[in-house]
Order: sequence, then C-alpha cells, then structure tokens
Amino acid sequence: SQTIHQWPATLVQPVGSPLSLECTVEGTSNPNLYWYRQAAGRGLQLLFYSVGIGQISSEVPQNLSASRPQDRQFILSSKKLLLSDSGFYLCAWSWTEEAFFGQGTRLTVV
Amino acid sequence: AQSVSQHNHHVILSEAASLELGCNYSYGGTVNLFWYVQYPGQHLQLLLKYFSGDPLVKGIKGFEAEFIKSKFSFNLRKPSVQWSDTAEYFCAVNRRLSGTYKYIFGTGTRLKVLA
Repeated sequence: SQTIHQWPATLVQPVGSPLSLECTVEGTSNPNLYWYRQAAGRGLQLLFYSVGIGQISSEVPQNLSASRPQDRQFILSSKKLLLSDSGFYLCAWSWTEEAFFGQGTRLTVV
Repeated sequence: AQSVSQHNHHVILSEAASLELGCNYSYGGTVNLFWYVQYPGQHLQLLLKYFSGDPLVKGIKGFEAEFIKSKFSFNLRKPSVQWSDTAEYFCAVNRRLSGTYKYIFGTGTRLKVLA
C-alpha cells in the first residue's frame, strides 16, 4: 500500500533562517505531488505541485520554493524565513482524482 | 475569481442536532468534489467524494453530501451529530488542468459539538 511521510512534525525557526521540509511517498511511482499551507482562518492554500522529477508549478508568489530531486521526494524550502511563513504545511500525493495527505508540519517562525 | 466557498466558519451544535455545512464552487465544467475532516491533532481524512452518478453521496461516520450542479453546491449533512464529530471540515474541488489534477480547498468550517 502507498504511504506518505512528512517531517518534521513541528518546527520553530527564527526569522531569516533557512527552511527545508521533506515529503516522501512509498508504494507508488510517478505520483503527482503537492504542497499546501494552512494558515489560521485561511483554509488550505495550494503552494506548489509537481507532475514529475524536476517539474514544479508555483501557484502563488511567495518566499518559498519547491524541488523534486527524485520521483517520490518533494522538498519545500526557503532561504530566509519571514514571520508570515508560519503555518501548517501539508504534503499530498495523487495519481488521478483523489489525493492523500501527510501528517503535516507545524512551522512557527519567531 | 475561481474559488471554493464555505459560508460557515464556526458552527456550534448540541449532540443529536442535525448538521448542514454549505459549500459552493465557481468552476465550470467537470469537477470532482470532496469533503475532508481534520480531527484535533490528526491529519486530514477523506469523508466522502463525488465523481459522477448519484448526486447524493454517502460517506463514513454517517455523513452524506448532495451535489446540485445547477447551484454549484456540495453541502455536507449529518442527521444527528455526536461529540466526536468536533473537528474542522474542508470542502475541496479537483479539476484537471494542464495535465494534472489540482485540489482547491475552501477555508474550512470549525464544528464544535457540545455534549
């Protein structure tokens, strides 16, 4: 069966520090991969999606970037965190209509 | 702008009350519709989904939703809520764009059920 792993579960980082969140999927190949952010009172916002290795589409202009160095690995990064980057980040994968979500990372920028 | 709207941001009910959470979307064409639930401290879970066929969809834990195409709506219902239904509920629309499926979520509804 397919599983999705996302880490770390929680993270507290100072403003201006770099960020790297990792997501890996097991039990499938060539999945579509997604990064979402859940900010307080704003629901789930699609940040990036990828249909294959090295293919990244950005949904909103922001301080973050994403990379897909391997088929089942999706990384969310920032060179310098802002206070406004705080939130709950979710990774997801799908083949077709239904998506499956990781446990999420709660990021607090202080 | 194309969007998914959930009109109720916070709902408080007593146990055994009936629940209806509204969801409207503004996309034309073929869409897939979902309701997800996030219990406190847990990850997002699928409640139910609609792809085609019978517009009344039954999901887990006694939830159901009705797709009304003419109203662009996919409202979630439960006849009698329980304290354990306290959670945040997200409506989502999935459309095929540029060769992939993109999920667009509503802002969520926080449901609190009083024992």
